[in-house]
Amino acid sequence: AQTVTQSQPEMSVQEAETVTLSCTYDTSESDYYLFWYKQPPSRQMILVIRQEAYKQQNATENRFSVNFQKAAKSFSLKISDSQLGDAAMYFCAYRSAGANSKLTFGKGITLSVRP
Amino acid sequence: DTEVTQTPKHLVMGMTNKKSLKCEQHMGHRAMYWYKQKAKKPPELMFVYSYEKLSINESVPSRFSPECPNSSLLNLHLHALQPEDSALYLCASSQGRLAYGYTFGSGTRLTVV
Repeated sequence: AQTVTQSQPEMSVQEAETVTLSCTYDTSESDYYLFWYKQPPSRQMILVIRQEAYKQQNATENRFSVNFQKAAKSFSLKISDSQLGDAAMYFCAYRSAGANSKLTFGKGITLSVRP
Repeated sequence: DTEVTQTPKHLVMGMTNKKSLKCEQHMGHRAMYWYKQKAKKPPELMFVYSYEKLSINESVPSRFSPECPNSSLLNLHLHALQPEDSALYLCASSQGRLAYGYTFGSGTRLTVV
């Protein structure tokens, strides 16, 4: 079974600074997908960024980028120019490429942004 | 329409009540999901519907009964719940391409008294 580990329960960043959230995963599969979701106090889970394992290039979405290290099974999220609206709980998630595959979430990390 | 809509947003029910949660999407997604989430924890999968058929039941107690009347609608019927069932219930949907992840609704905050 796949597992996703987010070892830091909380992090804090100064507004306009850069922060990196860590995520590691364990799998024996070669084809899979990785995601970062954001859940603000409004409760809705919002997809921040996704990465296909077969792509070597790291995904980027505006101020959000990932450092995907397939051999190390690491998938960290970098938030540049942090904004107050980035404060939320962030979940790393894994999904295998097989039929009826499920999202496996990490425990999440609470990010606070200091003005 | 790129949303998953859940109603009601908040629900308080007694342990002897029967209530239903509703989830709707008009994105043409053929897979729909129910998740349960406790505070500061990740969502836990409860049920998966694929093409309107129940494909996964994660050993959920029978007091939770899912229903998928059509490809756009997903219900969760609740009966004889316990206080420990109080949680945020999230609905999600996904299209066929696995790389696109899930689209989540904003959830129903359920309190069982």
